[in-house]
Amino acid sequence: AQTVTQSQPEMSVQEAETVTLSCTYDTSESDYYLFWYKQPPSRQMILVIRQEAYKQQNATENRFSVNFQKAAKSFSLKISDSQLGDAAMYFCAYSNSGYALNFGKGTSLLVTP
Amino acid sequence: KAGVTQTPRYLIKTRGQQVTLSCSPISGHRSVSWYQQTPGQGLQFLFEYFSETQRNKGNFPGRFSGRQFSNSRSEMNVSTLELGDSALYLCASSLLAGENEQFFGPGTRLTVL
Repeated sequence: AQTVTQSQPEMSVQEAETVTLSCTYDTSESDYYLFWYKQPPSRQMILVIRQEAYKQQNATENRFSVNFQKAAKSFSLKISDSQLGDAAMYFCAYSNSGYALNFGKGTSLLVTP
Repeated sequence: KAGVTQTPRYLIKTRGQQVTLSCSPISGHRSVSWYQQTPGQGLQFLFEYFSETQRNKGNFPGRFSGRQFSNSRSEMNVSTLELGDSALYLCASSLLAGENEQFFGPGTRLTVL
């Protein structure tokens, strides 16, 4: 079974600074997808960024980018120029093509003024 | 385009009762997945429905069941409720079965007393 590990239960960053959230996963598959989801307090989960395993190029969405290291099975999320609205729980998720999302336990990100 | 809607948003039940939760996917989406979110276990996959058929099922007891209607709306049912069933139940929709990009609803907060 695939497992997703987020080793940082909580992280803190100052506004305008950069923060990196860590995620590692375990799989024997070669074709899969990785995601970062954001869940603000009492609000619904939204997709931040996705990465296809067959793509070597790291995905980027505005201030959000990933560092995908396939051999190391590592998938970290970098948030640049952090904003107060970035405060949320961040979940790393894995999906073997066509199957359900497998989530990590989440990292709570606090953004301080 | 309206997002995924879930009803009710909050629910309080007592042990032994049963409950039905409803999910309406984004218009045009035909796949609906259900997840249970608890502080202890995190996000766990319950099941996925596509074209009124259960396509995938997570590791939950038979007390958890679901169905999908011809208009793609889905319901999940939990019978003989236990205290441990208290959770946020999230529904996610995608265009087709096995699509990796899923769009989440706001969830139904179930409290079992």
